[in-house]
Amino acid sequence: QITLKESGPTLVKPTQTLTLTCTFSGFSLSTTGVSVGWIRQSPGKALEWVALIYWDDDKRYRSSLKNRLTITKDTSKNQVVLTLTNMDPEDTATYYCAHTPSPGGPTENWGQGILVTVSS
Amino acid sequence: DIQMTQSPSSVSASVGDRVTITCRASQDLSTWLVWYQQKPGRAPKLLIYAASSLRSGVPSRFSGSGSGTNFTLTISSLQPEDFATYYCQQANNFPFTFGPGTKVDIK
Repeated sequence: QITLKESGPTLVKPTQTLTLTCTFSGFSLSTTGVSVGWIRQSPGKALEWVALIYWDDDKRYRSSLKNRLTITKDTSKNQVVLTLTNMDPEDTATYYCAHTPSPGGPTENWGQGILVTVSS
Repeated sequence: DIQMTQSPSSVSASVGDRVTITCRASQDLSTWLVWYQQKPGRAPKLLIYAASSLRSGVPSRFSGSGSGTNFTLTISSLQPEDFATYYCQQANNFPFTFGPGTKVDIK
């Protein structure tokens, strides 16, 4: 059974850096083709694809956030970490991590999400 | 970035109705198109991938079609558990992008 769970702060101040951790089980991020990504959703809004990291450490980012984003993996801990700098109230959203078992394939398994609020 | 649009933005329907949702892309996706269902307060759930392939365990009343820039999700006979928001997502080019969603609610 594949599970993913997001963890991190639920409240950050403007200009601070957000660090979210996705801890997963049931698959390995060292398996060829596998990726773990992040998708966010502002309250009442549509889904926004944010970032993704592949088994081979290839990384992809949302264009509008590219200068503020970093995604890394720790294969031994079964974790993926997302860092978003210079947080703004517009970054308030539920952040989901998700597993894609093959390149270009569908994102099959999602975490429950974590609501992050940006407010002073 | 590839822009995705969906129509309608919302639809009111009754149990048993046939519902069709359209998704259009600003560039050719071939069949790299995915459909998700999302209920309030829940993570999205994969329904269809590669434009028309039904995920295992998803009821057969859901179907997808299309290629290139025009795609369709059809629910052949709407059931009470199908009232939700539906999103298309292109997986052809990075950065991946989602459509704005179509909310299916009770008439």
